[in-house]
Amino acid sequence: NAGVTQTPKFQVLKTGQSMTLQCAQDMNHEYMSWYRQDPGMGLRLIHYSVGAGITDQGEVPNGYNVSRSTTEDFPLRLLSAAPSQTSVYFCASTRGGSPRDTQYFGPGTRLTVL
Amino acid sequence: ILNVEQSPQSLHVQEGDSTNFTCSFPSSNFYALHWYRWETAKSPEALFVMTLNGDEKKKGRISATLNTKEGYSYLYIKGSQPEDSATYLCAFKPGYSSASKIIFGSGTRLSIRP
Repeated sequence: NAGVTQTPKFQVLKTGQSMTLQCAQDMNHEYMSWYRQDPGMGLRLIHYSVGAGITDQGEVPNGYNVSRSTTEDFPLRLLSAAPSQTSVYFCASTRGGSPRDTQYFGPGTRLTVL
Repeated sequence: ILNVEQSPQSLHVQEGDSTNFTCSFPSSNFYALHWYRWETAKSPEALFVMTLNGDEKKKGRISATLNTKEGYSYLYIKGSQPEDSATYLCAFKPGYSSASKIIFGSGTRLSIRP
């Protein structure tokens, strides 16, 4: 199993550009999430999904869209990039909602917005 | 807004010394607490899953305890080694909403001096 994969690993955007960060998992996990990691702030939840066709907002959803058309894929779209979105983005998946289900993280995407 | 706090933010420890750090979380609506280990240039990986008040978990020289009534968990490392250098994250799962809304602390960054 590849686990959770993310592309690209690095990306530089100009303010106002849009792009999609890709995330896929091959573990048949129901739950998937997107986090951003900023210095001193830990991991903050952007959006999450509890199954194909179901998404919901996390703590910091503004400026981002998600969709979940399949169990495997959970892309994150930046609609109009801003310098405040410079961050490292992690996608994670979880088998389900039981207390014992932990997160499996992808390798991260480092995004710089100029 | 749920708050999960970890202290200290960073820690420098001499090789061979023992150390511990704290995760504080809301004492109501507890579902689970997870500890993750996050090495530089890698992704976080689950270390412990804790679900019951009084839980004690151990993996080698690392152990954790849980007090859900007062809302804290301790992580202990006995006889620190250079390979223990990492950021240790705790993640709180509340029980009142989707179990996918996991709240991470900002982490304790541990450096071991040889």
